[in-house]
Amino acid sequence: DAGITQSPRHKVTETGTPVTLRCHQTENHRYMYWYRQDPGHGLRLIHYSYGVKDTDKGEVSDGYSVSRSKTEDFLLTLESATSSQTSVYFCAMGPGQGIQDTQYFGPGTRLTVL
Amino acid sequence: SQQGEEDPQALSIQEGENATMNCSYKTSINNLQWYRQNSGRGLVHLILIRSNEREKHSGRLRVTLDTSKKSSSLLITASRAADTASYFCATENSGNTPLVFGKGTRLSVIA
Repeated sequence: DAGITQSPRHKVTETGTPVTLRCHQTENHRYMYWYRQDPGHGLRLIHYSYGVKDTDKGEVSDGYSVSRSKTEDFLLTLESATSSQTSVYFCAMGPGQGIQDTQYFGPGTRLTVL
Repeated sequence: SQQGEEDPQALSIQEGENATMNCSYKTSINNLQWYRQNSGRGLVHLILIRSNEREKHSGRLRVTLDTSKKSSSLLITASRAADTASYFCATENSGNTPLVFGKGTRLSVIA
């Protein structure tokens, strides 16, 4: 978890409300990732970033958007939260040797959508 | 699109025993990584094995890779209660695409 934090760590919200999760890193790493983790599905990639303002979709991007205006911050937004987006969300960073390099994960955010 | 599939899904052993978990994948890979996740925490990188390597060691960890069978195994020797965690393989697929994680093996080491 060193060098990468997530906020908030826990959030309960209602269906239809917008939600933004923040990932902050202090390592100046080029790559950042957002995953969701659900029982029976393992870890699935939502979006990733390969630089400031450079992002791409992952496996389960529908209903999510991201922004990266600074190297250290990667934001995940649920425009209109649904109950199916109840999950644990993990942010990760990669040092920049390549998109497939070792990743370092944050502590996670538990999101509940009622 | 899950690439690596770990087996077994769950494993329970006594402290001191060895734990073996397997990862199978479908398409050719560049390299394969193993991660550990303690309950309520993020994943932690354990070891990377390249496609031209057959075996790699790190402390009590031993990883093998058989590209002809498209499988990898992670062996933890002399397990400890602190090894209780979920273990994930992640494949580096051909092409410049992100890692793909499997669903994990949940290991319980009973003292």
